[in-house]
Amino acid sequence: AQSVTQLGSHVSVSEGALVLLRCNYSSSVPPYLFWYVQYPNQGLQLLLKYTSAATLVKGINGFEAEFKKSETSFHLTKPSAHMSDAAEYFCAVTSSGGSNYKLTFGKGTLLTVNP
Amino acid sequence: DTEVTQTPKHLVMGMTNKKSLKCEQHMGHRAMYWYKQKAKKPPELMFVYSYEKLSINESVPSRFSPECPNSSLLNLHLHALQPEDSALYLCASSQGGQGRVGTGELFFGEGSRLTVL
Repeated sequence: AQSVTQLGSHVSVSEGALVLLRCNYSSSVPPYLFWYVQYPNQGLQLLLKYTSAATLVKGINGFEAEFKKSETSFHLTKPSAHMSDAAEYFCAVTSSGGSNYKLTFGKGTLLTVNP
Repeated sequence: DTEVTQTPKHLVMGMTNKKSLKCEQHMGHRAMYWYKQKAKKPPELMFVYSYEKLSINESVPSRFSPECPNSSLLNLHLHALQPEDSALYLCASSQGGQGRVGTGELFFGEGSRLTVL
């Protein structure tokens, strides 16, 4: 069984400030981990993914995440927030078993960016 | 631009209507998915097709009927829906199907916003 916990359903930062969105996972097998972003009334877009290669993963729009097995974490960061980063962010996990990629999503974190 | 195309973007239907949602991808992916998303919630998996065969049905009510006519198309037929079925319906695809090793990345469409009156 696998699960994802996103700490904080709502994170608010000032423009230019550090963005940190937290994600902890539970998986009985080596996981694949993902961060997706969803803008209002749109689908989900992949920000970045961890698939057992480098533990520091760089994604689109200046985001990155670090896989820490000892802490079972995959936190998302961006050094300087931009107004356009305001969106809902979902962390997701699946197993590296090669079957139908049943993603387990976290409950999401709404990021607001204040001018 | 998304490579998974969903139509229509918005749909309003009565509880006695029959309608369909459509999804198309041309990335050669062999797994396709339907998700339901309520406001301020994560997507919930409904169905998975792998190589055009229904692989996963997450105990979805029979008023939702999926269909996969070919490897590029996925439909969701709707009949006798309830107001609580109003939601954003997301289609997704991924590279591998049953038994295929891949990275597990899903590509999502922009969704069809369904309102049931």
